[in-house]
Amino acid sequence: AQSVSQHNHHVILSEAASLELGCNYSYGGTVNLFWYVQYPGQHLQLLLKYFSGDPLVKGIKGFEAEFIKSKFSFNLRKPSVQWSDTAEYFCAVRGSFKTIFGAGTRLFVKA
Amino acid sequence: GAVVSQHPSRVICKSGTSVKIECRSLDFQATTMFWYRQFPKQSLMLMATSNEGSKATYEQGVEKDKFLINHASLTLSTLTVTSAHPEDSSFYICSAGGQNNQPQHFGDGTRLSIL
Repeated sequence: AQSVSQHNHHVILSEAASLELGCNYSYGGTVNLFWYVQYPGQHLQLLLKYFSGDPLVKGIKGFEAEFIKSKFSFNLRKPSVQWSDTAEYFCAVRGSFKTIFGAGTRLFVKA
Repeated sequence: GAVVSQHPSRVICKSGTSVKIECRSLDFQATTMFWYRQFPKQSLMLMATSNEGSKATYEQGVEKDKFLINHASLTLSTLTVTSAHPEDSSFYICSAGGQNNQPQHFGDGTRLSIL
């Protein structure tokens, strides 16, 4: 069975700080990996995705993620966060057709 | 523009009524669609996989008789919450696509409030 674990439930950073959100998954086969963002009062938006190829994936708004197959991880990173990055971030894994979401990490960036 | 349309966007109804939510793929055919629910301040939980022309596949703990899914065509899946109660109040989201390295598209969601 698939499962997704996000290590940090709440993260508070100051502007310009670097961000790394952890995501680990469990699945025995080939997976597609995603990070979604949900801004307050808005719907899910896709930040980036990994299907195959270069394990370092660049997404929108300066975000990137690295797929480390040996660690079953897909951590999200951003070198310098902005106040506007305050949102909830969801890691998602798709294997065998269905997509499972992690519990989410709520990020608050202090201006 | 949107490629998955969900209707209605908001429903408020009395306890005991049944509510139908539609999910349409607008410019592609979707043999498979997915239904999620999201409680306030929580993640999306996959409820079921809707399969065109056959029975839906429900996740563990989701009541089949409570959440009826019909996928009668390649562009439409419906979720009916039968005899809804206040604890069914939630945000329901459908998605389609995602096979063969294609992106998965989400609907805008339906906020269901049962009084």
